[in-house]
Amino acid sequence: DTAVSQTPKYLVTQMGNDKSIKCEQNLGHDTMYWYKQDSKKFLKIMFSYNNKELIINETVPNRFSPKSPDKAHLNLHINSLELGDSAVYFCASSQEAPGQFNEQFFGPGTRLTVL
Amino acid sequence: GDSVTQMEGPVTLSEEAFLTINCTYTATGYPSLFWYVQYPGEGLQLLLKATKADDKGSNKGFEATYRKETTSFHLEKGSVQVSDSAVYFCALSKGKAAGNKLTFGGGTRVLVKP
Repeated sequence: DTAVSQTPKYLVTQMGNDKSIKCEQNLGHDTMYWYKQDSKKFLKIMFSYNNKELIINETVPNRFSPKSPDKAHLNLHINSLELGDSAVYFCASSQEAPGQFNEQFFGPGTRLTVL
Repeated sequence: GDSVTQMEGPVTLSEEAFLTINCTYTATGYPSLFWYVQYPGEGLQLLLKATKADDKGSNKGFEATYRKETTSFHLEKGSVQVSDSAVYFCALSKGKAAGNKLTFGGGTRVLVKP
């Protein structure tokens, strides 16, 4: 069974379109994250949710809106797509454990190409 | 802000060669340090971690020691295999106080040739 899954795996779209990427985890974790990996492989966090509550919101254009319908899902909606949004988007999850490092488990990524 | 710097790749090695990937960090407080590995077409996997100074993380023949005096966490493996070809990421976290976010270095691609 896939622990953290993302759909779609590949997404090719035109500038100006609106698109969504879905993430689901079956690990029972209470925290989920979105990371963006650019063309140079640089990875940076975008958002995190804990029990459906937004915890981290890095400097991300408000065209990006995360939505967490329940703690097993964290979707990413992007409005008015731009060329610079082309990247690989990774979802991750972890379980809150006081006083311990919370290992993050990553999904396989969604490669978004904006033409 | 916090940052992680690691050597740029690609690093090309022959099988059974010794691998070192340098990683240094800048952070206030006492972060935990990690190495993640990304195999072609896959997501990231935790390779090893160290949560305090002088801790040594190890896994699958890889090792890294948390050196606070040099703010470093260099990754080493004594004898690499073709299957070790991947992109390796050094990262730090300040835990719950910082939302458990991981701050990554730029990644180092390693290619091991038979």
